[in-house]
Amino acid sequence: GAGVSQSPRYKVAKRGQDVALRCDPISGHVSLFWYQQALGQGPEFLTYFQNEAQLDKSGLPSDRFFAERPEGSVSTLKIQRTQQEDSAVYLCASSSTTGSYEQYFGPGTRLTVT
Amino acid sequence: QKEVEQDPGPLSVPEGAIVSLNCTYSNSAFQYFMWYRQYSRKGPELLMYTYSSGNKEDGRFTAQVDKSSKYISLFIRDSQPSDSATYLCAMSAALGYGNKLVFGAGTILRVKS
Repeated sequence: GAGVSQSPRYKVAKRGQDVALRCDPISGHVSLFWYQQALGQGPEFLTYFQNEAQLDKSGLPSDRFFAERPEGSVSTLKIQRTQQEDSAVYLCASSSTTGSYEQYFGPGTRLTVT
Repeated sequence: QKEVEQDPGPLSVPEGAIVSLNCTYSNSAFQYFMWYRQYSRKGPELLMYTYSSGNKEDGRFTAQVDKSSKYISLFIRDSQPSDSATYLCAMSAALGYGNKLVFGAGTILRVKS
């Protein structure tokens, strides 16, 4: 079956531009996570959704980062006024229940801010 | 200091070798321990999952957790060139209600044929 998909796969933005990154989780998955992976580092937690409710946004690095999942399926991560330090791979993961240990990751969106 | 420490490598071994990958951690609340494999330009995929201390084996892979030492390991037997990837350890304090994972930096493994 279809896995987690993310679009675009690659995004180049000029400093100061706004970007929107999309995640399509596996159908029916309740939990959705966003992670940020800098070059040579492991993924770092950004935010978590249970259905449409954003229950944890403790990892968002600044108020320029905003995420939503209005209908409990597709999620969008928006970054306003991008900075060079925002350059990273943004990974989306979903899991079937709130109690599942297995998170299924998408391929990520590689964001480069010039 | 990071909650999870992992040697980034790279680790280069000949085909057929036994590979040992390790992580240490500082947060004693971690109870769930995972190993993910990440190929270049792909998302991480779950390899092994262990709850609390102990060993778990799956084919050529063995995961070990020593909570008293805050140390986890992944062993790969009869390594193959297709095992060449970045291996990420990941941990969680609890399942459910946003069981966010805390990852190590990843170890790059290269298996030479």
